[in-house]
Amino acid sequence: QQQVRQSPQSLTVWEGETAILNCSYEDSTFNYFPWYQQFPGEGPALLISIRSVSDKKEDGRFTIFFNKREKKLSLHITDSQPGDSATYFCAASEGNNRIFFGDGTQLVVKP
Amino acid sequence: EAAVTQSPRNKVAVTGGKVTLSCNQTNNHNNMYWYRQDTGHGLRLIHYSYGAGSTEKGDIPDGYKASRPSQENFSLILELATPSQTSVYFCASGDAGGRKDTQYFGPGTRLLVL
Repeated sequence: QQQVRQSPQSLTVWEGETAILNCSYEDSTFNYFPWYQQFPGEGPALLISIRSVSDKKEDGRFTIFFNKREKKLSLHITDSQPGDSATYFCAASEGNNRIFFGDGTQLVVKP
Repeated sequence: EAAVTQSPRNKVAVTGGKVTLSCNQTNNHNNMYWYRQDTGHGLRLIHYSYGAGSTEKGDIPDGYKASRPSQENFSLILELATPSQTSVYFCASGDAGGRKDTQYFGPGTRLLVL
């Protein structure tokens, strides 16, 4: 059973638009939700994260919205730039550093 | 300076051969991980370790062994490589608790088994 699910599998937006990436999870014991960004040929790197005690986390153009009751979260990328084109992984953890990853959303930002 | 390094970066192996992928971290993290990444499957955990001398099975351990001889080094071993093990392999390190829940990834090893 997949613990973390992401949608859409791929997303294309124009430069300047807001990209919305969705994620849901199964296990209610998860309390830490990082998003990783991966560029082609590189390893994933932490982009932004949120803990279950919060419902929103902002870092510049990147915002996580978290709904604990529905076990859903989303990553909003405002004013999308071509340099944001990458694969984004939603992940979940109980805080023990064992992280469960979703299958990723491949984002393309067209200039 | 890269804190997690992997070698080799690219490897071509023959079916039935032995393959060893190496990972080194300078983060002084207790935990280390091996993942494989295939199109449509994201990152799948193969083996992980809580410290020197320990190895644990992840979600897809069949056909793989792991070795953690020291805090810094974690190896993934394919005793009898098969074409289905053609993939990109990532090593990561991390620590649990507080603000330390991040995993730090290496650049990956691309393995082709012919």
